[in-house]
Amino acid sequence: AQTVTQSQPEMSVQEAETVTLSCTYDTSESNYYLFWYKQPPSRQMILVIRQEAYKQQNATENRFSVNFQKAAKSFSLKISDSQLGDTAMYFCASLIQGAQKLVFGQGTRLTINP
Amino acid sequence: GAGVSQSPSNKVTEKGKDVELRCDPISGHTALYWYRQSLGQGLEFLIYFQGNSAPDKSGLPSDRFSAERTGGSVSTLTIQRTQQEDSAVYLCASVGLGLGGYTFGSGTRLTVV
Repeated sequence: AQTVTQSQPEMSVQEAETVTLSCTYDTSESNYYLFWYKQPPSRQMILVIRQEAYKQQNATENRFSVNFQKAAKSFSLKISDSQLGDTAMYFCASLIQGAQKLVFGQGTRLTINP
Repeated sequence: GAGVSQSPSNKVTEKGKDVELRCDPISGHTALYWYRQSLGQGLEFLIYFQGNSAPDKSGLPSDRFSAERTGGSVSTLTIQRTQQEDSAVYLCASVGLGLGGYTFGSGTRLTVV
C-alpha cells in the first residue's frame, strides 16, 4: 500500500522567514515520484515541485526546495524568503510508476504573517 | 479552454436529492480523475478514466456514486440520495503527457443540508 503522512496540520511564520514542511511516505516500490502541491483559497491545486525517486539530487524551484531522504522515506519542502502569497494549504503526494494514481497526505495549512 | 473547468462552483442540496457535478478537462488530455476533499482531510481518490479503457472505480465510496465520461472529454460525477457525509469539495484533474502533468480544476463545494 502507498501512504503519505504530513504530521503538521498548521504552521505559521513571519514574512521573509524560512519554513520547512514535513512529509513522510511509505511504499515498497523502487520507482516512484513525489510532489508538493499548493492549494490557495481558490481551491485549485498547483504543482510546486516534484522529485523523481531515482535522482539523488534534491529538486529546486526558485524559493522552493526539497530535502529528499530516500532511506528515511522523507520528503520535506523548504520555502525560503516566504511571501504573503505563499499562504495556502500544502499537500505532499506520491505516484508509483505505472499506478496512475496520486496519493495525497492530509495537508499542512501554512500562514505567512506580515 | 486553457484549464480544467468544473461546475457548479458551489452546490447546496437537501439530503436525499441527487446531484451532478461536471468537469471539462483540457482538450487532448486522455486521463481524467475525480478526487474528494473533505474538511481538514487530504484528497481521496474516487475514479479514473483513461482513454477508451474501462474506468478505475476502486475509490468510489458507495454505489450511490457514479461517473461517466462522454466522448473522452466531459465527465459527470453523480451522487444519488445525497447524505450529509457527502459534503466536501470534489476536484477533477486531467492529465497530459509527462510527470506532474496533472491539472486540477477549482472544484465543486457540495454542501448537503
